[in-house]
Amino acid sequence: GAGVSQSPSNKVTEKGKDVELRCDPISGHTALYWYRQRLGQGLEFLIYFQGNSAPDKSGLPSDRFSAERTGESVSTLTIQRTQQEDSAVYLCASSQDRPYEQYFGPGTRLTVT
Amino acid sequence: AQKVTQAQTEISVVEKEDVTLDCVYETRDTTYYLFWYKQPPSGELVFLIRRNSFDEQNEISGRYSWNFQKSTSSFNFTITASQVVDSAVYFCALSDRGNNRLAFGKGNQVVVIP
Repeated sequence: GAGVSQSPSNKVTEKGKDVELRCDPISGHTALYWYRQRLGQGLEFLIYFQGNSAPDKSGLPSDRFSAERTGESVSTLTIQRTQQEDSAVYLCASSQDRPYEQYFGPGTRLTVT
Repeated sequence: AQKVTQAQTEISVVEKEDVTLDCVYETRDTTYYLFWYKQPPSGELVFLIRRNSFDEQNEISGRYSWNFQKSTSSFNFTITASQVVDSAVYFCALSDRGNNRLAFGKGNQVVVIP
């Protein structure tokens, strides 16, 4: 079946602009996660959605970051007033639920100039 | 608190050699889950294995094997008879009951030289 998809695959933006990143999880997966991977680094957790429960936002680095999810489908990660330190690959993953394995999308490479 | 340590940053091996990647974890929970992921140069993370804390059996899948030892809080990964296609970054990760996230190690860059 189809895997996790993300769009756009690459995004170049100017400092101070807002960006929206999209994630389509695997159908039937109730849990959705966003991670950030800076160059040469491991993955940093950003946010977790599970069904209709309140999301776990504990990993969001600042109030410029927010995310939404529509039911058990698409999620959007929004970064407002982008800064150069936001440059990274943003990865989305979905799973049936904790603690099942997470399946990752190809990521969105964000470059802030 | 969760923590995963992968001490070796880059490992180079000649094709057909074996390579072992070390993973040491920390958690206060008695129930937890350990994972290994592969990130090839294309960038997409590929799930390799999940182990539960209450199942210490080692596992073999083709040329891959995993050694889980609770006594030393380690979950090591061995690639036998390495191939060029094994060149990638390998991440160890931990999930415990107290957190919804996966805590990742910094990764091991494996370079297989033909």
